[in-house]
Amino acid sequence: IVMTQSPGPLSVSPGERATLSCRASQSVSANLAWYQQKPGHTPKLLIYGASTRATGIPARFSGSGSGTEFTLTITSLQSEDFAVYYCQQYLKWPLTFGGGTKVEIK
Amino acid sequence: QVQLEESGGGVVQPGGSLRLSCAASGFSFSDSAMYWVRQAPDKGLEWVAVISYDGRNKYHADSVKGRFTISRDNAKNTLYLQMNSLRDDDTSVYHCVRDGSGGHTPSYYFDSWGQGTLVTVSS
Repeated sequence: IVMTQSPGPLSVSPGERATLSCRASQSVSANLAWYQQKPGHTPKLLIYGASTRATGIPARFSGSGSGTEFTLTITSLQSEDFAVYYCQQYLKWPLTFGGGTKVEIK
Repeated sequence: QVQLEESGGGVVQPGGSLRLSCAASGFSFSDSAMYWVRQAPDKGLEWVAVISYDGRNKYHADSVKGRFTISRDNAKNTLYLQMNSLRDDDTSVYHCVRDGSGGHTPSYYFDSWGQGTLVTVSS
């Protein structure tokens, strides 16, 4: 299953909303996770099951969608949110990631 | 807290071999499925292999099938990746990753990552 992320990159001002998209080449139901990766750091699980926040993830991060279209929304971007975000499907083998969306400071 | 510490990376010639290790602590290693995920320099993420909590079930990505083998030693809390017939495009940081379920039934998403070990394949 090919995962395609858009846009790339995304320029956002602090305090604004960021909307990231992830599209699957076939339905993955809700078997979709989102990760955040900051430079020099490992990926961090944000969302699983398309919309469930992982432990300790702030409420400004929300996920939605099912089937082939998914969205990660970050409301009121903080300085620590500027990073690369990846989606990953886990319905079928091989497990596959999107190419990532970089959220940068406008 | 969960700690995953990889070792064994380095520079190797094409066709060579390496064995990566991942020492796990801070959780019940023997209850968790584990993965190797790699990331080429300034590139995205690629799942490499998975092994069930008891080591009975293993799957490898097509790109490494027949060349890489994942294994584990639950008595030593250690995950391994045997890498043979290495190619230039295997150059990546290899991360040891824990399954997100915390139990015997895997979730197939990833909740804890090691810092990784760099494998460079070059002549």
